[in-house]
This record gives sequence, C-alpha cells and structure tokens, in this order.
Amino acid sequence: GQNIDQPTEMTATEGAIVQINCTYQTSGFNGLFWYQQHAGEAPTFLSYNVLDGLEEKGRFSSFLSRSKGYSYLLLKELQMKDSASYLCAVKGGYNKLIFGAGTRLAVHP
Amino acid sequence: SAVISQKPSRDICQRGTSLTIQCQVDSQVTMMFWYRQQPGQSLTLIATANQGSEATYESGFVIDKFPISRPNLTFSTLTVSNMSPEDSSIYLCSVEDSPEAFFGQGTRLTVV
Repeated sequence: GQNIDQPTEMTATEGAIVQINCTYQTSGFNGLFWYQQHAGEAPTFLSYNVLDGLEEKGRFSSFLSRSKGYSYLLLKELQMKDSASYLCAVKGGYNKLIFGAGTRLAVHP
Repeated sequence: SAVISQKPSRDICQRGTSLTIQCQVDSQVTMMFWYRQQPGQSLTLIATANQGSEATYESGFVIDKFPISRPNLTFSTLTVSNMSPEDSSIYLCSVEDSPEAFFGQGTRLTVV
C-alpha cells in the first residue's frame, strides 16, 4: 500500500525554528515535495527533493533520506505568516502525486 | 510557472443537480489533474485529463459521477454529477511544470 505520515498539528513561537517530519511508503519514487497551504487557498510549492540530502531555499530547507523513507521540512526565523498547513507529497509510480494529510502549523508571538 | 484560472470559486448546490468546474491554463500542457480536498483533509487525485483521450480515473472515482472534458491543451472541465452532501468539498485542478505542480484556486462546493 501507499502511505504518507506527518504530524497533524504543531505549534511554534515567532522567530524560532520548527521541523516537520514526513515518512512515506510508496510504490515507486520520483521525488518528494513540500507544499504550503493557507486556509481557503490553493497549495503553493515550497521544495522538491529527489536525491538524498538537504535542499535550502531561504528560510526553508528540506531533507530527504530515500533509504529511510523520510523527509523533513525545516522552517527558520518563523513569522506569523508561516501559520499554514504543510503538505508532504510523493511522486510515486506512474508519476502520480500522493499527498499526506498535512501538518497544521500555528505560529504564536 | 503556470497560471491557472478556475471557476467558479464557490457554489452552493441542491442535491441531485450537477456542477461543472472550469480550469483554464495560460500555457499548453499535456496533462491536467483534478483533485478533491474534503474538509480538514489532504488532496486526493480524482483523475488525470489528457487531451484527445479519455480521462484516467483513480480508484473510487468513476466517469459517470465525475465526467471530464479536455477539448484542447489549455482547458479542462470537471462535472460533479447527481450531487449529494457527501460531495461537499474543495475541487482543484492542477498542472505540472516539472517538477512543480501548480494549482488553481479551487472551487468550494457545498451541497444542501
């Protein structure tokens, strides 16, 4: 079967660092994606990993270990506007995107 | 990056009726994808729409319930047929500009 697990909710303080974990089991692997989704809005692309290691993009970094079926999204210098849902998605067999249930992050002052 | 216009943005419909959602992309794309996002949940792929051929549906979704048109490389429609309250959801279209996927703003459907 195909399964993507991530925590349901997280809270963090403005200015801090938060790490959102994602584990996956899929048939086929063609990349792992992180998306941000504010309430009532469409998901927007944050990052993409296809090889093991860390990809950094400003305040956001994403890590992948294919052997462990594991990824994390690291958000630094948190801002209030980072309060959103963060979706982990894997492109599996037939290049289809499979989404996790999402992690709702609440950033408080 | 692709820009996607999706409409309507929201609608309230009576049970038993049908709603057609339109998705227009600003560039030609081979495949367009339709997703459903039920309240508080993540995105589930309904079907993949290819120009010039029938859409490919995922397990649990059938053409009679969710007919899809793809008349050209920039446009697609999804119809939600014979609606029931269980169809209340957000429906999103998506295209890929490898490796990223871009999404329309979504259609928030409420069936009463």
